Amino acid sequence: QLQLQVSGPGLVKPSETLSLTCSVSGGSISTSSYYWGWIRQPPGKGLEWVGSVHYGGTTYYNPSLESRLTISVDTSKNQFSLNLNSMTAADTAVYYCAKHLFYDVHYFDSWGQGTLVTVSS
Amino acid sequence: DIQMTQSPSSVSASVGDRVTITCRASQGIRYWLAWYQQKPGKAPKLLIYAASSLQSGVPSRFSGSGSGTDFTLTISSLQPEDFATYYCQQANSFPRTFGQGTKVEIK
Repeated sequence: QLQLQVSGPGLVKPSETLSLTCSVSGGSISTSSYYWGWIRQPPGKGLEWVGSVHYGGTTYYNPSLESRLTISVDTSKNQFSLNLNSMTAADTAVYYCAKHLFYDVHYFDSWGQGTLVTVSS
Repeated sequence: DIQMTQSPSSVSASVGDRVTITCRASQGIRYWLAWYQQKPGKAPKLLIYAASSLQSGVPSRFSGSGSGTDFTLTISSLQPEDFATYYCQQANSFPRTFGQGTKVEIK
């Protein structure tokens, strides 16, 4: 059974860069059948799609974050990663990684547990 | 961006009740809509995709309908484990966007 696990810091200082990794087990990230995505949720608020990536390197980014965002894949580690720079308090959220249901169709059927990232000095 | 508006924002219901949640898109999204269930402290769970397709393993009391701009999620007979927050999400246009959520509470 596919499992996704998010790892990364729980606290980031303003203006710094957030780096999160999603480790995939129970399946290969190097399958052409799926994209892999990031979704975030500010405390007590709704969900926001951040971006998605294919193992081949194709990415889709939320335009509101695109200038600060990089999503990449490391097939040797069966992981994909998020880097978001120039962090502000508005980026405080639970960050989830997830698998697309099929190919680049943006329905998310398997989710990691999420990690709370707080932006504070 | 396509705005997704859910109604109501919250609903109080009893076990066994039929519950309907509505999601309206600010422009047409054909059938490119999903519904998720989220419980406190947990990741969302995909219930319905392509507006009316039931995700594998999801009980048949959940159903979805609609196309274009107006969609509904129906729980035919509410069970104790269904008390949660429900979100719609459009997959037609970038950026993908979610509704603000509907909380189903115990009456």
